[in-house]
Amino acid sequence: DIVMTQSPDSLAVSLGERATINCKSSQSVLYRSNNKNYLAWYQQKPGQPPKLLIYWASTRESGVPDRFSGSGSGTDFTLTISSLQAEDVAVYYCQQYYNTPCTFGQGTKLEIK
Amino acid sequence: EVQLVESGGGLVQPGGSLRISCEASGFPFSNYDMSWVRQAPGKGLEWVSGISGSGGSTYHADSVKGRFTISRDNSRNTLYLQMNSLRAEDTAIYYCAKHLFLEWLTTFDYWGQGTLVTVSS
Repeated sequence: DIVMTQSPDSLAVSLGERATINCKSSQSVLYRSNNKNYLAWYQQKPGQPPKLLIYWASTRESGVPDRFSGSGSGTDFTLTISSLQAEDVAVYYCQQYYNTPCTFGQGTKLEIK
Repeated sequence: EVQLVESGGGLVQPGGSLRISCEASGFPFSNYDMSWVRQAPGKGLEWVSGISGSGGSTYHADSVKGRFTISRDNSRNTLYLQMNSLRAEDTAIYYCAKHLFLEWLTTFDYWGQGTLVTVSS
């Protein structure tokens, strides 16, 4: 199975500042045939199911604010929140869907400083 | 509007069985692959099982293989997970999730609210 490792485990950022979460996969999740990275990012707030933010590593899901962006390729990926809002407090997960089983990172808890 | 509503969770003894369901609406259910993903209390996300739109192909995580069976009834727009030989480590919220695209290797764009399964004596 592909192991997904996120860093840091927790993060405290001031309102309006940038938040950056990293995700590393144990093998490449880039399909050469279509040049797509099979990597997604989710946001989960307490008591709620995960919400899809980003897929194909950098494609924003419909309705997701443009302060959320994804980047990276191969084995190293980043989720960036350009200007942190109070409603962004949550746990964030990366996920690879390059093969079965799809696997998730351990999560990064984002708080307000 | 896409809706996924799970039901059937509850308390079960170790070694026992339970079947949970997920009723779907708002999209052509039979066209989409579906999956179950679980989350133990205070822990991260673990994919459990998946099934093709027709129901002809199924997939299970090694941790549940031989104990859990995923199925679907497209006439009822309902997804199922039959769980046998339950263990304490199966205690979790079980979410059903719709695949984003019309292919197996894709992520999940809609999730239900989840149903809690507790395995304890």
